Amino acid sequence: EPEVTQTPSHQVTQMGQEVILRCVPISNHLYFYWYRQILGQKVEFLVSFYNNEISEKSEIFDDQFSVERPDGSNFTLKIRSTKLEDSAMYFCASSLLGGNTDTQYFGPGTRLTVL
Amino acid sequence: KQEVTQIPAALSVPEGENLVLNCSFTDSAIYNLQWFRQDPGKGLTSLLLIQSSQREQTSGRLNASLDKSSGRSTLYIAASQPGDSATYLCAVGDSNYQLIWGAGTKLIIKP
Repeated sequence: EPEVTQTPSHQVTQMGQEVILRCVPISNHLYFYWYRQILGQKVEFLVSFYNNEISEKSEIFDDQFSVERPDGSNFTLKIRSTKLEDSAMYFCASSLLGGNTDTQYFGPGTRLTVL
Repeated sequence: KQEVTQIPAALSVPEGENLVLNCSFTDSAIYNLQWFRQDPGKGLTSLLLIQSSQREQTSGRLNASLDKSSGRSTLYIAASQPGDSATYLCAVGDSNYQLIWGAGTKLIIKP
C-alpha cells in the first residue's frame, strides 16, 4: 500500500542553523501539507501546497519557513534559522484531492530537536 | 476561531468492552471531520473521514457519527482489543485545506 515517507526520522540541530525536512508524498497525490506537534500539545497546521504554490498557511508559518517541491517526488520544509521553540514532531501529509474532500495521509514524522 | 475538544483525555477499559470517544467543535461550518489514531512515537493513521453532508461512517469495528448542528462527533469502538490502545485524535476540516485538531483521547485496553 502506498505511503508517505519522511526523512530523517530524527534531526538534532543548533539554534540558528537551517534545517530541511524531507517528505515523499504518495505518488499520484496532488495536495501536500505540513503539520507540527510540539511535545504534549495539539497537532497544528503549518501549510498546504498545490500546483507548486502555497494554498494556505497558518500564523505559525512565518518568513522563517518555506516549502518546495524540487522535483516530481520530494516535498521539503525548510526552517531558515531554527529557534528552541521549533523543537517538535513535523508531519508531512498528502491527499489526492483538496478542498478537504479527501483523506489526508500522514508520514511517520520527523522529530526536530533544537539545542 | 474553531476550537476542537476531546473528552475524556484518557480512558482505560477492560478488553472486550464497547466504548465511545467524544469530539466537539465550536463552529458548525465544517467541510469534514476525520478520526485518526496515533501510536507512541509514530505517525497519524486516518481511521474514518465523514463529509459534512454525512451522518456516519463505519469501518470494521469502528463507527463514527457526526452531528454538525450540535458540534459533536463520536467514535464508537466495538469489542475493544489490546491492539486498540493508542491516542485517538479528532480533526475538523475547517477550510479548504487545513485540519484543526483536538488534543486526543489516550485509550488503554487492559487484557
